Amino acid sequence: GAGVSQTPSNKVTEKGKYVELRCDPISGHTALYWYRQSLGQGPEFLIYFQGTGAADDSGLPNDRFFAVRPEGSVSTLKIQRTERGDSAVYLCASSRLGANYGYTFGSGTRLTVV
Amino acid sequence: GNSVTQMEGPVTLSEEAFLTINCTYTATGYPSLFWYVQYPGEGLQLLLKATKADDKGSNKGFEATYRKETTSFHLEKGSVQVSDSAVYFCALGEFQGAQKLVFGQGTRLTINP
Repeated sequence: GAGVSQTPSNKVTEKGKYVELRCDPISGHTALYWYRQSLGQGPEFLIYFQGTGAADDSGLPNDRFFAVRPEGSVSTLKIQRTERGDSAVYLCASSRLGANYGYTFGSGTRLTVV
Repeated sequence: GNSVTQMEGPVTLSEEAFLTINCTYTATGYPSLFWYVQYPGEGLQLLLKATKADDKGSNKGFEATYRKETTSFHLEKGSVQVSDSAVYFCALGEFQGAQKLVFGQGTRLTINP
């Protein structure tokens, strides 16, 4: 597509529920990143995919967070047993292989845990 | 670890004023440096970047120079417009396999006509 698409744009869920956030990168972009932006803060790195594999998941805060990219295109960030502290904007970005930080960011999913 | 510290906001200026948003960093090695901008209701966009010491990045009238001696990458614009109102993020790039970005906390800029 023309840009990085993230769905839903907003998600409200109850504490303890499971949520999935979807990212559809730019066609042909092999690198995909997830970041989390808490209110009043800059984005923080969560996980990086090169193709289908998670090449770096060092930013995932705990084992309630998991992400997949089974066909090397669309990615899903999964959060189990959500907590109020998970409330944030979750950003996805993609880039071509070898691009020097040539990220394109999506508009994000605003997750609110009540 | 690597980190970025930005000037506290919010910043409010009148149209045509001179803008400086300070950014300093702590890093091992020689990271690339970036300014990103987030306009209301839109995603993060790359504004400018510099990949080595003394490089100057520029775009849309904004400039920033990579200063290794002061570990700084201050954003400047000579004459701001109402349309520059946005949140600005300074960031550094860590290349450790992944091209990860480490962001500052952001500075909200409001330009009044």
